[in-house]
Amino acid sequence: QVQLQQSGPGLVKPSQTLSLTCAISGDSVSSDSAAWNWIRQSPSRGLEWLGRTYYRSTWYNGYAVSVKSRITIKPDTSKNQFYLQLDSVTPEDTAVYYCARDSGSFLPFDYWGQGILVTVSS
Amino acid sequence: SYVLTQPPSVSVAPGQTARITCGGDNIGSKAVHWYQQKSGQAPVLVVYDDTHRPSGIPDRFSGSNSGNTATLTISRVEAGDEADYYCQVWDPVFGGGTKLTVL
Repeated sequence: QVQLQQSGPGLVKPSQTLSLTCAISGDSVSSDSAAWNWIRQSPSRGLEWLGRTYYRSTWYNGYAVSVKSRITIKPDTSKNQFYLQLDSVTPEDTAVYYCARDSGSFLPFDYWGQGILVTVSS
Repeated sequence: SYVLTQPPSVSVAPGQTARITCGGDNIGSKAVHWYQQKSGQAPVLVVYDDTHRPSGIPDRFSGSNSGNTATLTISRVEAGDEADYYCQVWDPVFGGGTKLTVL
């Protein structure tokens, strides 16, 4: 059974960097069939996919156009986890952030983390 | 970008059938996935690839997809089905969600 456990701060100041961690159990971040995603949810934007990282003989990333200039998603093979880094945050980045697994393009998000509410405020 | 349109709310009495639609341009050519989200919880996959159910999801949940509309059907609705439901296709993009109220 795959489990995703999220951690990170719930409050970030404007212009700073939002950083979250998703620890994986029951699968490997280096899986050659899965991909590891970050998705956020807010009342104004609904569910919004932010990006993913995956390994297919080498590491790949894909990012949403809306955040492409500010986002980095990185794997950590030694700890079997992956990270979200979102730079230069504003109050519009306030949301519940989820990590989630998919088993390949066009396939669904079949496992989700518990979610973390991140508030951007001074 | 691709837009998915869902009705904001659907209400149904217990034991009846709920149908939640998801509209998109030629959505019938895409694989549609459906998620259930109860208050304060992460989304849970209930239907994938238009019509398939993950293990553990009751057969009361079913899906269809044709033309410009995909539909999630919940038969014999129970109080525990009350939740928000979201459709999703690859970009990936999600619909705006439909709140299912069990009267």
